[in-house]
Parts: sequence; C-alpha cells; structure tokens
Amino acid sequence: GENVEQHPSTLSVQEGDSAVIKCTYSDSASNYFPWYKQELGKRPQLIIDIRSNVGEKKDQRIAVTLNKTAKHFSLHITETQPEDSAVYFCAASKFGGSQGNLIFGKGTKLSVKP
Amino acid sequence: NAGVTQTPKFRILKIGQSMTLQCTQDMNHNYMYWYRQDPGMGLKLIYYSVGAGITDKGEVPNGYNVSRSTTEDFPLRLELAAPSQTSVYFCASTLSGGLRNEQFFGPGTRLTVL
Repeated sequence: GENVEQHPSTLSVQEGDSAVIKCTYSDSASNYFPWYKQELGKRPQLIIDIRSNVGEKKDQRIAVTLNKTAKHFSLHITETQPEDSAVYFCAASKFGGSQGNLIFGKGTKLSVKP
Repeated sequence: NAGVTQTPKFRILKIGQSMTLQCTQDMNHNYMYWYRQDPGMGLKLIYYSVGAGITDKGEVPNGYNVSRSTTEDFPLRLELAAPSQTSVYFCASTLSGGLRNEQFFGPGTRLTVL
C-alpha cells in the first residue's frame, strides 16, 4: 500500500523567511496530493492540493511542487507570518480510486518567530 | 450548512466501557471517514464508507465498529474501551467525483480511557 514520509518533523523560522516541507510517496499510481493545516486544538483544513498532471500550483504565499519521477512533493510558504504557525500534513491518494482514501504523513510542526 | 459535526467534544471512559461517537454531515457527501490522531502523530484511518449501507476497514480498525444507515450519519462504536484508544477522533466527509478530493473534517472528539 501507499506510504507517505514527511520531513522535517519540526521547523522553526523567523517571520518573513520561507519554509519548505517535503514529502515522498511510494505508490506511483497516486495522483492527488493535498496539504492540510491544523492549528492547535482545531480540525485539519485543506490549504492547497495538486494533481499529478500539474508540476506546480501556487496560491498567494503558498505553493506546492510535484516531481512524479522522484515521487516527492513539497510545500513552500513564502514571507511567513506568525499565523502560519501550525502543524502541516501532506497526503497522497489515487483520485477516483480506492474510495479517495488519503494516506497522511506524520506532520510538520511549523513555528514562525516574530 | 453546518458541515461536519461531531459529538461529544470530550469524553472520559473507564477501561471496559463502551460508547458511540456521533458524526453527521449536511453536505450530501457520499464518502465518510473516521480517523484517530494520537499526540504528535498524523491521522490514521479507522473505517470509511462510500455510501449508505457500505463500510470498510481502514488502517487501524481493531476495537471499533461503524454503521452507515443514512447518507448523513456515520457513528463510530467503541466496545470494551482500552487505554490504547485514548486519542482525538476526527470524522470527515467528501463528495466523490468532484474536481478535488477535499475532505472536510469535523471538530473532533477528545477521548481519554482510564
């Protein structure tokens, strides 16, 4: 089955710096890669996603890149702000198959220091 | 729309007790999921359902049962609670066949088994 590895487990940056979180997946048939943000004590919420027919997607200060050959994808946050502090989870699934089950990475705790 | 709702928010059980975690969604989503999130860890799939009357096991189903009699409701039953079931439980739902596979999460139930 699919396995998703996420690194680093913790990341601390200064406000205004960029943050990069990386994930690798094992199943080459996976074709949908979302990123969820979970603030302390809250529910996970989707922040950005990418499908395998696209190499990069950007939404304001966040972007996701996908390398299908290497089977890895990354989340990039630019101009970080204190409100970006949260745990970020990557996930992978076969869109349209396996009932859309997401396999999550273990998460990255991002701390943005003012 | 209320989205995905869960009850209760918190619960303390004694070893061997049983309880049902309730989950309801009002978005007419066909797919529903139950996850558990242990401290500092990612989300692990317990059970999922692709529609009323259909359920299937996820990654960690032992000690749990589910039912899906309606599109809206997907209760999770714990029988003979054990300390290892201390966790935060999230219910989620998604609409299959959409352009994205976004899962909408409920607020979670924090369960402690003593």
